[in-house]
Amino acid sequence: QKEVEQDPGPLSVPEGAIVSLNCTYSNSAFQYFMWYRQYSRKGPELLMYTYSSGNKEDGRFTAQVDKSSKYISLFIRDSQPSDSATYLCAMLRGGSQGNLIFGKGTKLSVKP
Amino acid sequence: DTGVSQDPRHKITKRGQNVTFRCDPISEHNRLYWYRQTLGQGPEFLTYFQNEAQLEKSRLLSDRFSAERPKGSFSTLEIQRTEQGDSAMYLCASSLAAAGGIGEQFFGPGTRLTVL
Repeated sequence: QKEVEQDPGPLSVPEGAIVSLNCTYSNSAFQYFMWYRQYSRKGPELLMYTYSSGNKEDGRFTAQVDKSSKYISLFIRDSQPSDSATYLCAMLRGGSQGNLIFGKGTKLSVKP
Repeated sequence: DTGVSQDPRHKITKRGQNVTFRCDPISEHNRLYWYRQTLGQGPEFLTYFQNEAQLEKSRLLSDRFSAERPKGSFSTLEIQRTEQGDSAMYLCASSLAAAGGIGEQFFGPGTRLTVL
């Protein structure tokens, strides 16, 4: 079993829809949770970074962490065609120096 | 542009040849990371430096791979005797992290390696 599981999709939604992206993990040592967005043939860019359980909101993006269920989510409100990309969850163990563990990524397409 | 840069962006080589990639991090960043990403997968950690010291290496980093960061600035990743399984995107990231802290990792555009 991989440490981080993420459905690769693809996921296709109409413009304006609410998008829900999810990851599960097996290692309870993970304490830092991130979502990266990766456009085709580009490097990943950080969208959201959370440390504890709960919600964190940034504009149209909301990240949720449920440590008891080992489950994290990213919600995108009012999705736009420019949100079309691959979304990667990433996690970091407490005390780690930066060895990020990534999910496979979910490919999202937002249709106009 | 003050982001992370990587060179070359694309490299095609024949099996058995040696290749070297370069990464220039964001100038004030003290940590530099190398990851490998294959098609349909997330990036996988290879190694990281704090300043010029290589502090961690993944078991993915076989003895054909070597990374350096002389003077704690740019870094190079060399692959000797390339194999077709080495075909991947090689990503570099950098961060500014104080002792005990976790800094955001900024990724470069990657070097896409194709081994024929």
